[in-house]
Amino acid sequence: LAKTTQPISMDSYEGQEVNITCSHNNIATNDYITWYQQFPSQGPRFIIQGYKTKVTNEVASLFIPADRKSSTLSLPRVSLSDTAVYYCLVGDTGATNKLIFGTGTLLAVQP
Amino acid sequence: DAGVIQSPRHEVTEMGQEVTLRCKPISGHNSLFWYRQTMMRGLELLIYFNNNVPIDDSGMPEDRFSAKMPNASFSTLKIQPSEPRDSAVYFCASSPMGSNQPQHFGDGTRLSIL
Repeated sequence: LAKTTQPISMDSYEGQEVNITCSHNNIATNDYITWYQQFPSQGPRFIIQGYKTKVTNEVASLFIPADRKSSTLSLPRVSLSDTAVYYCLVGDTGATNKLIFGTGTLLAVQP
Repeated sequence: DAGVIQSPRHEVTEMGQEVTLRCKPISGHNSLFWYRQTMMRGLELLIYFNNNVPIDDSGMPEDRFSAKMPNASFSTLKIQPSEPRDSAVYFCASSPMGSNQPQHFGDGTRLSIL
């Protein structure tokens, strides 16, 4: 079964740009890459989704290289309220239609 | 606009008892997902439904676990008999259609098996 790996944790300060990378070597041809944010005692919340190149919305950008074996979530000018665990979600070619969450990255934003 | 609703929020029960977790998806969503989250294994997909039909249940740990979706507005995840290793947070999510659409998660059921 393919692994979807992320750094365990990252530290940042308010106002900085943060980039979190996810590695997904066995991504399926038709699958999208989705990023979620999770606060304690809550379910994951959708941030952004993309298939290739770059996607931008009001809260984040998502960069996907041509081979799609990795993706980078970019959070511009983080604030204290962005402290959370961030997960990438991709399909797994090892099992049809199976969805694999990444290991999660705990982002700690300090003043 | 109500989100995904899960009940109960917390459940504590003894080993061997039957446990039933409930989920009401967002109205109009065609896909429903059940996940389990633990410290050791992270977020794992257990099963998902499209239009009330189970599509992939390969993530269900063993025969003690079963899931049903009798209609578009209700799903259950049942564990019988329960074991201490089933202790986890169980999430339900729904999406408009298919497995590549953004999912909307409930706040989960924290299950403790003693």
